[in-house]
Amino acid sequence: DAMVIQNPRYQVTQFGKPVTLSCSQTLNHNVMYWYQQKSSQAPKLLFHYYDKDFNNEADTPDNFQSRRPNTSFCFLDIRSPGLGDAAMYLCATSRASGGADEQFFGPGTRLTVL
Amino acid sequence: AQSVTQPDIHITVSEGASLELRCNYSYGATPYLFWYVQSPGQGLQLLLKYFSGDTLVQGIKGFEAEFKRSQSSFNLRKPSVHWSDAAEYFCAVPTGGGNKLTFGTGTQLKVEL
Repeated sequence: DAMVIQNPRYQVTQFGKPVTLSCSQTLNHNVMYWYQQKSSQAPKLLFHYYDKDFNNEADTPDNFQSRRPNTSFCFLDIRSPGLGDAAMYLCATSRASGGADEQFFGPGTRLTVL
Repeated sequence: AQSVTQPDIHITVSEGASLELRCNYSYGATPYLFWYVQSPGQGLQLLLKYFSGDTLVQGIKGFEAEFKRSQSSFNLRKPSVHWSDAAEYFCAVPTGGGNKLTFGTGTQLKVEL
């Protein structure tokens, strides 16, 4: 089945220790998104790629970076995680941007910062 | 800017009872509107979407939603709730020129057996 895969499902890191979260997709979608979802809150978009074009949300901290080496993979790098970065990180894809396209979500990576 | 509001943070219903989850939108023109469901510890799954045309939209898992322009609402309904429907439900609208989804704050549904 075509899907969005996130690894790992659970990640524990130490305060200030860089961490990378991975997302891959078999849908061959052009757009990939990274959302942050804190406990009991709605998902909040961090950034998205339309193909190779990177689009950063204005309020995304510089501590968060992303890479998309090819169509299938996208990575979220947190350079110096703080306690406030503990959250669920959701990857999503869509065929195109423009509002009308359904976004397909992965199961998420739960990040714990000690 | 477009936005959606979900007035109910928590709702509890008995299994077999009907369900209505509220979503109000703020947008001048006819918006695109989505309902997503998130089971505990999981990603989001699209239940249904409205673009234009028929105001009653059928989705997966027996859910439907009705777009009412006069009330600026897009409420989600199900005639008979199953225990497996317990989850968090998010209404969403495209924003930022359509390049992203902005979600409502979510409604946590609890189903009593």
